[in-house]
Amino acid sequence: GAGVSQSPSNKVTEKGKDVELRCDPISGHTALYWYRQSLGQGLEFLIYFQGNSAPDKSGLPSDRFSAERTGGSVSTLTIQRTQQEDSAVYLCASSLTDRVSYEQYFGPGTRLTVT
Amino acid sequence: RKEVEQDPGPFNVPEGATVAFNCTYSNSASQSFFWYRQDCRKEPKLLMSVYSSGNEDGRFTAQLNRASQSVSLLIRDSKLSDSATYLCVVNRRGGYALNFGKGTSLLVTP
Repeated sequence: GAGVSQSPSNKVTEKGKDVELRCDPISGHTALYWYRQSLGQGLEFLIYFQGNSAPDKSGLPSDRFSAERTGGSVSTLTIQRTQQEDSAVYLCASSLTDRVSYEQYFGPGTRLTVT
Repeated sequence: RKEVEQDPGPFNVPEGATVAFNCTYSNSASQSFFWYRQDCRKEPKLLMSVYSSGNEDGRFTAQLNRASQSVSLLIRDSKLSDSATYLCVVNRRGGYALNFGKGTSLLVTP
């Protein structure tokens, strides 16, 4: 079946612009996560959604970052007033439920470059 | 201190060799542990979960040592296709999201 999809695959933007990154989780997966991976760094947790519960935003690095999940499915990560340090690969993952033992399936990521 | 620490390597080993990776985690309350594999410029994929009693999946063996707060991965009879970055992963404090180590790079050579 279809895996997690993300768009765009690559995004180049100028410093100060806003960007929106999209994630389509695997159908039926109720939990959705956003991570980012900067060059030479490990994956860094950003935000987590589970059903209709309030999201866990504890990983968002600043208030320039926000995310929504509409209808319990598609999610959009928005970065306002982008900075060069925002350049990274943004990865979305979904899992069947929010039990931590369930495998998280990752999308191919969006490579963001801020010039 | 990072939540999950790994030796970045690279580990260069010949085909057929046995190689072991270790990582340490800082949160003693962590409950779930995993090894993920990430190929160059690809997304991470689950290699195996790590159970308290240790577990094996073919050529791969994972161990958890709660006393030393460490997790290990042993790969026997290395194949060229094992070349990748191996990520040690631990659940975040009080939550379901994951903390990833920076990964250990493995290169298996002919």
